[in-house]
Parts: sequence; C-alpha cells; structure tokens
Amino acid sequence: GQNIDQPTEMTATEGAIVQINCTYQTSGFNGLFWYQQHAGEAPTFLSYNVLDGLEEKGRFSSFLSRSKGYSYLLLKELQMKDSASYLCAALDSNYQLIWGAGTKLIIKP
Amino acid sequence: GAVVSQHPSWVICKSGTSVKIECRSLDFQATTMFWYRQFPKQSLMLMATSNEGSKATYEQGVEKDKFLINHASLTLSTLTVTSAHPEDSSFYICSASAGDHYEQYFGPGTRLTVT
Repeated sequence: GQNIDQPTEMTATEGAIVQINCTYQTSGFNGLFWYQQHAGEAPTFLSYNVLDGLEEKGRFSSFLSRSKGYSYLLLKELQMKDSASYLCAALDSNYQLIWGAGTKLIIKP
Repeated sequence: GAVVSQHPSWVICKSGTSVKIECRSLDFQATTMFWYRQFPKQSLMLMATSNEGSKATYEQGVEKDKFLINHASLTLSTLTVTSAHPEDSSFYICSASAGDHYEQYFGPGTRLTVT
C-alpha cells in the first residue's frame, strides 16, 4: 500500500531551527510536496522536490532522497507565525497526491 | 497568479437540505479539480477528482449520490451535498491543477455546519 509518515506534533523555540521529517512509500514517484496549513485555513504551497538534494527558499528548505524514500522540511529563524501544520504529500505513478497526516508545529517564545 | 476561490466560505443548513459549494480558478484553466474534506485536527481526505467535461472519480467510501460533483468548465467545479446530516459538518476544500503542472492550488475552504 501507499503510505506517508511524519511526526504528529513538534515543538520548537522562536528563533531556532526545526526539521520536519517525512518518509514515503508509493507506487511510483513523481515528486514530493510540502504544504503549510494554518488552523481553519486551506493549505498553501511551500515546496516541490523531484530530484535528490536540497532546495532552499528563504527561511524554508526542503530535502529529498529518492533512494531512501525520505524528505525533510527545514525551517530556520522560527517565527511565531510559523506555528501551523505542515503536510507532506507524494505524487505517485498516476500523478495522484498521497497525503501525510500532517505535523503540527508549535512555536514557543 | 494561480488563484482559486470558493463560495460560500461558510454555510449553516438544516438537516435534510442540500448545499452547493462552488470552486473557481480565477486566472488559469484547471484541467483537474479536487475536492477534499477535513475534520477538526485531522488531515485532508480526498473525496473525488474531476476533469472538465467528464464524470468525477470518487475515492473509496465516498457516496457518489450524496456528494454530487460537476465540472462543467475549465474554471468551475461544484460540489453539492445532498440531504445533509450533522455528520457531514466539516471543512470542504477544493484545489485545482493545470495541464502538466501537478501542484495543486487550494481554495480557501468552505465550513459547513448542518444543524
């Protein structure tokens, strides 16, 4: 079956760095997405990786290892507004998104 | 660019009535639209995928006759919750993708409360 695993909840301190991990098992693979979702709002796109390596975009970076079925989202210089759920989603061979359950990130002052 | 709107943003209806939710891509042509449901503190659950001009593909466990999806044009899809019951109360979110771009652009969501 197809499966996405990510931690349910993480806590970090304002100004610090946090890494949210995601492992996936899918029928075929056409890339991995990270979305941010604030409570009561729809998800917003953060990143897309299809090749191995690190993609940096401002305070956020996303890493992919296709051979390990592994990705992480790295958030630097954490701000209180970064408190949200972070959703990992893999695109399978049918180009269907398989969603993880999301990681709730709590930022403390 | 890539803006998706939903209407209404929230709706309260009585049990047994039907509710229609609209999803529009405002500045691009959406070849595929997706409908999700999200219960509090849970992840997104895909309900169905629709391509313009063809019947929607429903996920296992989603009742086709209860959740009617119409994708009449490249910019509009509608979800009708028929004979709504309190257990249908949820956050309904649509998303759209265009052509070979598999990124999904999400609408702001519609919060449905059935009393």
